Amino acid sequence: DTGVSQDPRHKITKRGQNVTFRCDPISEHNRLYWYRQTLGQGPEFLTYFQNEAQLEKSRLLSDRFSAERPKGSFSTLEIQRTEQGDSAMYLCASSPPGGGTQYFGPGTRLTVL
Amino acid sequence: QQQVKQSPQSLIVQKGGISIINCAYENTAFDYFPWYQQFPGKGPALLIAIRPDVSEKKEGRFTISFNKSAKQFSLHIMDSQPGDSATYFCAASMGSGANNLFFGTGTRLTVIP
Repeated sequence: DTGVSQDPRHKITKRGQNVTFRCDPISEHNRLYWYRQTLGQGPEFLTYFQNEAQLEKSRLLSDRFSAERPKGSFSTLEIQRTEQGDSAMYLCASSPPGGGTQYFGPGTRLTVL
Repeated sequence: QQQVKQSPQSLIVQKGGISIINCAYENTAFDYFPWYQQFPGKGPALLIAIRPDVSEKKEGRFTISFNKSAKQFSLHIMDSQPGDSATYFCAASMGSGANNLFFGTGTRLTVIP
């Protein structure tokens, strides 16, 4: 399978715990994006990387959120001190050099109890 | 503030009919307009995309109509099939798709046999 992969697919955690999600983009895609999608809404942009550089962060990305892409390949998204409002689907997408189509992974569904 | 407005919220169409979903935007810097299809529990998948230098793009049963002066674009699904039942999102981006996508709120399409 050469698509975008995300791990885990589902995560249930208690309020106040830290969680980390992983995204593996399509190989040779240098851009990687994180989005958040709540029920009945469209995805909302969180942040994106070009290679290992984080080029843009949304205001939605509070101080409790941090994303990394240390070697320009996979990326991690960490949420510290989770809150119930963090419950959502976290989507990762990647695109080839020069932009164009963003290919989405299956998402990680986070439930904060 | 919603950068891309989408309507209707839900749509029911008979098999073989035409499904039409509309979107509008304000930011004239947008230069890439994709449509994504999403099934429950899955990530969005690109359906078709258009750039503002053309007024229409057709791929199989899917057609995008684009009106630059009105800042509107729409998706037409011809000969709608039950397998087309999904949620459809329009989106817009700057930088020919290299930058983050702004999504509409989605249209839940149901095609009845």
